[in-house]
Amino acid sequence: AQKVTQAQTEISVVEKEDVTLDCVYETRDTTYYLFWYKQPPSGELVFLIRRNSFDEQNEISGRYSWNFQKSTSSFNFTITASQVVDSAVYFCALSEANSGNTPLVFGKGTRLSVIA
Amino acid sequence: NAGVTQTPKFRILKIGQSMTLQCAQDMNHNYMYWYRQDPGMGLKLIYYSVGAGITDKGEVPNGYNVSRSTTEDFPLRLELAAPSQTSVYFCASSRHPSAKNIQYFGAGTRLSVL
Repeated sequence: AQKVTQAQTEISVVEKEDVTLDCVYETRDTTYYLFWYKQPPSGELVFLIRRNSFDEQNEISGRYSWNFQKSTSSFNFTITASQVVDSAVYFCALSEANSGNTPLVFGKGTRLSVIA
Repeated sequence: NAGVTQTPKFRILKIGQSMTLQCAQDMNHNYMYWYRQDPGMGLKLIYYSVGAGITDKGEVPNGYNVSRSTTEDFPLRLELAAPSQTSVYFCASSRHPSAKNIQYFGAGTRLSVL
């Protein structure tokens, strides 16, 4: 069965610090997709990134970067030089290619507070 | 672009009342989903639909009903509201069912059952 674990429930950092949000997943499929979503205080869920299981290249988008390691079943998310606007709940999610119509399985989320 | 629109944003119900949470998308997506988010938890799937006239249960369907008469709309019905249904409800849509497809979410409906 698929499972996503975000062990960090809450993190607080001071503005301009770097912060890494951890995500560990479990799956029996060889083909799967990993996602990160952001939920700001306004409540909506915003898609950030998608990664497939065959692509282990790290990705950088501005201050955001993602480190995907199949050997440790992890898909960690780093924010460099954090800003107050980064304060949000961040969700990691998994979707298995062979799960039919079963949609995303979410972790419980990590609440990030960036203090000015 | 409107994307996925949910109404209402907030609602308070008394135990035993019924209501319908509305969801509409304007992206011509075939696939639509309803999730609930409880405090400190991730999202759990209630129901989903693969197209007009076709719906299926997710992980936590008890106490809810859905219908899909059009591609655009996917309402969620609570027939006899219970305190356990106090939650934030999210509707989402995607173009295809495949695992790689990105789901786009509405802004959510915050429901309290008292």
